[in-house]
Amino acid sequence: QVNLLQSGAALVKPGASVKLSCKASGYTFTDYYIHWVKQSHGKSLEWIGYINPNSGYTNYNEKFKSKATLTVDKSTNTAYMELSRLTSEDSATYYCTREVYFDYWGQGVMVTVSS
Amino acid sequence: DIQMTQSPASLSASLGETVTIECLASEDIYSNLAWYQQKPGKSPQLLIYDASSLQDGVPSRFSGSESGTQYSLEINSLQSEDAATYFCQQHHDYPPTFGSGTKLEIK
Repeated sequence: QVNLLQSGAALVKPGASVKLSCKASGYTFTDYYIHWVKQSHGKSLEWIGYINPNSGYTNYNEKFKSKATLTVDKSTNTAYMELSRLTSEDSATYYCTREVYFDYWGQGVMVTVSS
Repeated sequence: DIQMTQSPASLSASLGETVTIECLASEDIYSNLAWYQQKPGKSPQLLIYDASSLQDGVPSRFSGSESGTQYSLEINSLQSEDAATYFCQQHHDYPPTFGSGTKLEIK
């Protein structure tokens, strides 16, 4: 069965970076793009970007271009998202999900930015 | 970016009733619309894609329809487990954008 397993919650200081992981199983990793979505507490969903695990090609929401960096490690079927120069506005739950329709989602990881 | 205007923000209905949630796209999205259900503390789950196609495993009491740039999610015969927040999402153009969500309470 398809599963996207995300890394655990993170508490990080303002100005720091954090790297989130999303390990895929139950399907051929390179057959589907991995997307990342942000959900601020109690609010709606924002698309951050996607990565093609086969080629490494990325496409970002303009809003997150200077904030997020997406990478993959095909040897471990894992996608990563690094968030940089964190501020309180980056405190949120982040999900990875699978293309085309977002049919499978990771469990989400809560990132808290606080000193 | 394509704007998705979702309504209502919240609604309350009784067991067995039928409810409708709507999303208005700011431009033609050619049926490239999905609906998701999200329960507290959980990830969103895909219910409907391509405006009216039911995702595998989703009960048939959920249905989607469209009229121009207006898209609707109908839930028939409400069950207690349908209490959740529902989001629409267009996947016609990048960036994919979501509606603001509808919180459904079951009386």
